[in-house]
Amino acid sequence: SQTIHQWPATLVQPVGSPLSLECTVEGTSNPNLYWYRQAAGRGLQLLFYSVGIGQISSEVPQNLSASRPQDRQFILSSKKLLLSDSGFYLCAWSRGQGANYGYTFGSGTRLTVV
Amino acid sequence: AQSVTQPDIHITVSEGASLELRCNYSYGATPYLFWYVQSPGQGLQLLLKYFSGDTLVQGIKGFEAEFKRSQSSFNLRKPSVHWSDAAEYFCAVGAGGQNFVFGPGTRLSVLP
Repeated sequence: SQTIHQWPATLVQPVGSPLSLECTVEGTSNPNLYWYRQAAGRGLQLLFYSVGIGQISSEVPQNLSASRPQDRQFILSSKKLLLSDSGFYLCAWSRGQGANYGYTFGSGTRLTVV
Repeated sequence: AQSVTQPDIHITVSEGASLELRCNYSYGATPYLFWYVQSPGQGLQLLLKYFSGDTLVQGIKGFEAEFKRSQSSFNLRKPSVHWSDAAEYFCAVGAGGQNFVFGPGTRLSVLP
């Protein structure tokens, strides 16, 4: 069966520090991968998605970036965190186009920028 | 562009009572429809989905949802709520490709 792992579960980082969140999927190949952010009191916002190694699409311009160095690995990064980057970050995967199949989500990373 | 509304921000029900969470969508064609549940501090778990066919779909944990094209709705129901159902519920619409829109969510509280 397929599983998705996301870490760390919680993270407290100072403003201006770098960020690296990692997500890996097991039990499937060539998944579509996604990063969502859920800010307090707000809905889910799609940040990035990837349909293959090295292919990244950005939905929202910001100081975050994403990379997919391997088929089942998706990384969310920032060179310098802002206070507004605080939130709950969710990685997800789908078999094919997410709009047609739905997503399977990881357990999330709670990021607090102080 | 498609959109999703969940009119109820917060609902409180007593344990054992029935539940209906509302979801309305806006899309020009028949969308793919989903309901997700999120427990505090956790990721989202898929409850059920509708692609085509029977408009009443059964999901996990005793939930069901009914697609009503004439009302552009996909309401989630459960006949008897358990305390463990307290969570946030998200309706979502897929309109092909990467066009996937989540509703704002409805927080469910369950009274003992």
